[in-house]
Amino acid sequence: EPEVTQTPSHQVTQMGQEVILRCVPISNHLYFYWYRQILGQKVEFLVSFYNNEISEKSEIFDDQFSVERPDGSNFTLKIRSTKLEDSAMYFCASRDQGDGGYTFGSGTRLTVV
Amino acid sequence: DAKTTQPPSMDCAEGRAANLPCNHSTISGNEYVYWYRQIHSQGPQYIIHGLKNNETNEMASLIITEDRKSSTLILPHATLRDTAVYYCIVRPRATGSARQLTFGSGTQLTVLP
Repeated sequence: EPEVTQTPSHQVTQMGQEVILRCVPISNHLYFYWYRQILGQKVEFLVSFYNNEISEKSEIFDDQFSVERPDGSNFTLKIRSTKLEDSAMYFCASRDQGDGGYTFGSGTRLTVV
Repeated sequence: DAKTTQPPSMDCAEGRAANLPCNHSTISGNEYVYWYRQIHSQGPQYIIHGLKNNETNEMASLIITEDRKSSTLILPHATLRDTAVYYCIVRPRATGSARQLTFGSGTQLTVLP
């Protein structure tokens, strides 16, 4: 069964450093998403991406965040200057053009120290 | 998107059917009901979705009431591996749009041996 692949599975970074979280969505999917989940809290929407541009973003997705689909297969989330409160699981998801389910990756655990 | 209400937790004996309820009394005609689950901080996993007819797949059955104000997810023979948080999410038709899913708190299902 096709999968959404995320790397790395765990990243530790110092406060103020830049991080890039990587995702390979399912190859024929058209819509791409980033979500995050702070430990013990709800899964929160960050951003959606379609046709090489951001479709929607939440209040969490401020100027410190950016997304890119550099080569037609990877989908990346960059955090420019990490804060302690950015520590969370970050999930990438993708879906095709219908109303079917979204496929989520297994996540990257980001720890900011 | 319509709001959903789920019990915070439920137990089920292994091998028995697990019936997870969801209220969505403000659902509108073009909104689908989706069910996802999350096993211990893994990425959310799509289970099933429906508009107004009952649906069944290899994982579960979805029963939607005739007035569409509530639904029940049925896991016919629960196993220990079905222990997870189950999310009921209502979302409008999204064909042609990148509309995201909004996760609530879900129901923690614990399958007991």
